[in-house]
Amino acid sequence: AQSVSQHNHHVILSEAASLELGCNYSYGGTVNLFWYVQYPGQHLQLLLKYFSGDPLVKGIKGFEAEFIKSKFSFNLRKPSVQWSDTAEYFCAVIEGSTLGRLYFGRGTQLTVWP
Amino acid sequence: DAGITQSPRHKVTETGTPVTLRCHQTENHRYMYWYRQDPGHGLRLIHYSYGVKDTDKGEVSDGYSVSRSKTEDFLLTLESATSSQTSVYFCAISDRGVQETQYFGPGTRLLVL
Repeated sequence: AQSVSQHNHHVILSEAASLELGCNYSYGGTVNLFWYVQYPGQHLQLLLKYFSGDPLVKGIKGFEAEFIKSKFSFNLRKPSVQWSDTAEYFCAVIEGSTLGRLYFGRGTQLTVWP
Repeated sequence: DAGITQSPRHKVTETGTPVTLRCHQTENHRYMYWYRQDPGHGLRLIHYSYGVKDTDKGEVSDGYSVSRSKTEDFLLTLESATSSQTSVYFCAISDRGVQETQYFGPGTRLLVL
């Protein structure tokens, strides 16, 4: 079964700091990759996704992620965080051969201090 | 946001009682999913449906059953609720294709006493 690792469980930053959240997956074949965000008390929202093509993917709210196939990684970045980015962030993976089986990492709680 | 509603949004129940959670979509998507979210575990797939009356198990299906009699509704039933089923339950939908993306409902917070 697919395994998704998010190494940072809780990240605390000040506003304007740069952000990078790590995500690694275990499957060696074709994958579709996602980052979801969950603001306090809300449901998951899609932040960005990668299916193919340019490995640098831009999402909403200034977030971007880079797919590095050789490292099985899909790290999320933002150059300057805001207080409103405080949320939990989930990396998720679908294996190309098992559409529908979305595997999630455990999540990273980001706290941004004003 | 995708047209997904879940009911109830909050529920408190007692151990041993049956509980049914409902997911309703207005997008006419073929695929629907039930996940549970627990601290330190992210989201885990319970069951999913790939059409009316077509369902399959996910990774944490024990103690749960599902039914889908209409495209728009996907029901999750806890046959006999246990405290370990205290969780937040999310429904998701997708219009499966090569570039499948799942969209999530608002969640149901369930407390089993």
